[in-house]
Amino acid sequence: DAGITQSPRHKVTETGTPVTLRCHQTENHRYMYWYRQDPGHGLRLIHYSYGVKDTDKGEVSDGYSVSRSKTEDFLLTLESATSSQTSVYFCAISGGNEAFFGQGTRLTVV
Amino acid sequence: GESVGLHLPTLSVQEGDNSIINCAYSNSASDYFIWYKQESGKGPQFIIDIRSNMDKRQGQRVTVLLNKTVKHLSLQIAATQPGDSAVYFCAEIYTGNQFYFGTGTSLTVIP
Repeated sequence: DAGITQSPRHKVTETGTPVTLRCHQTENHRYMYWYRQDPGHGLRLIHYSYGVKDTDKGEVSDGYSVSRSKTEDFLLTLESATSSQTSVYFCAISGGNEAFFGQGTRLTVV
Repeated sequence: GESVGLHLPTLSVQEGDNSIINCAYSNSASDYFIWYKQESGKGPQFIIDIRSNMDKRQGQRVTVLLNKTVKHLSLQIAATQPGDSAVYFCAEIYTGNQFYFGTGTSLTVIP
């Protein structure tokens, strides 16, 4: 899938614990994105990056932070997971036109 | 942020018929639009795109129409097949290469 890998693919964690999701690309694309997908809401943008160490907030950024220290990696961190963050998380990459998506990470916060 | 919405969250069509999926967007500054298809358990996949200086673009069995006057986008699928069953999303792209998606329309093809 366009050289994009998300890890882990599934995770169950307890409320209040920190969680980090990783997105790795081999396409050398400039833009990387994190979305969450929930029933009735479609895909909502959490954070995005337009270059190394250049990130910005999306529409649902509260409770999430990101880091991009290398072109190929974009990390999404939940500092203290809550049940409302139970969702499927998708990473996407773009070279300036269409966006390519990873397979998703299913996160359950119990 | 700006909202992108989809009419008709579910759509059922008979195999062989044509399908039309609609989308309304609200940001007049959006200059690029994409339709994505998402099958169960997978990430969204690109179907077709259109730039704001175009009204229509055709692909293989798919056509996208853009009406900037009423901020409306549609996806037409000709001779719908069972493999077309999926959720379809429209996305609008604007400043800073930000992609914003609608809630999705679930298409079911009846054999």
